[in-house]
Amino acid sequence: DAGITQSPRHKVTETGTPVTLRCHQTENHRYMYWYRQDPGHGLRLIHYSYGVKDTDKGEVSDGYSVSRSKTEDFLLTLESATSSQTSVYFCAISDGAGTNSPLHFGNGTRLTVT
Amino acid sequence: TQLLEQSPQFLSIQEGENLTVYCNSSSVFSSLQWYRQEPGEGPVLLVTVVTGGEVKKLKRLTFQFGDARKDSSLHITAAQPGDTGLYLCSRTGANNLFFGTGTRLTVIP
Repeated sequence: DAGITQSPRHKVTETGTPVTLRCHQTENHRYMYWYRQDPGHGLRLIHYSYGVKDTDKGEVSDGYSVSRSKTEDFLLTLESATSSQTSVYFCAISDGAGTNSPLHFGNGTRLTVT
Repeated sequence: TQLLEQSPQFLSIQEGENLTVYCNSSSVFSSLQWYRQEPGEGPVLLVTVVTGGEVKKLKRLTFQFGDARKDSSLHITAAQPGDTGLYLCSRTGANNLFFGTGTRLTVIP
């Protein structure tokens, strides 16, 4: 919602394969985020971007990389998928960082690594 | 880790009942946000509270920010099945929001 589209919505892949998830926004927001959501852990930040080609790591970034070549697109790549990366992945956007800048989330990608 | 503890973890109530869920931290928040997440969707912002002692109302939902800005509560009056969902609190970091693990609410018709 709020002009955020995640693709694919569901994916099953095998251990060791690379996987790329896409987040596309039409809001022209500067900040974009990738979170994963797991039972008992809540939402945890993987990587975020504060502008085109400007990215930084979150708290669970190992095994993931990101790229942002355009304002509207933020890609998350699992370089060699593992079963521990089975999760629901959410992209979020905001027009500011920190205080009073709420996040607008996409509807998630459910990834299963077998 | 910016730990946020939410309680209870699960709550199942009958339609029409009142309920309160809590979000606590050992650290002071600069601001706190509450989100609701429905199955198959991303979280949606309900409210942001900034000032210690602040109370905000959103129809049947009342949000309170503790005086010391270390805790917050969400009270729902006369719960309805449409209130079913996962309620998440979050606090602001430098370039990030840190989330609690949530309270999963089920309102039974």
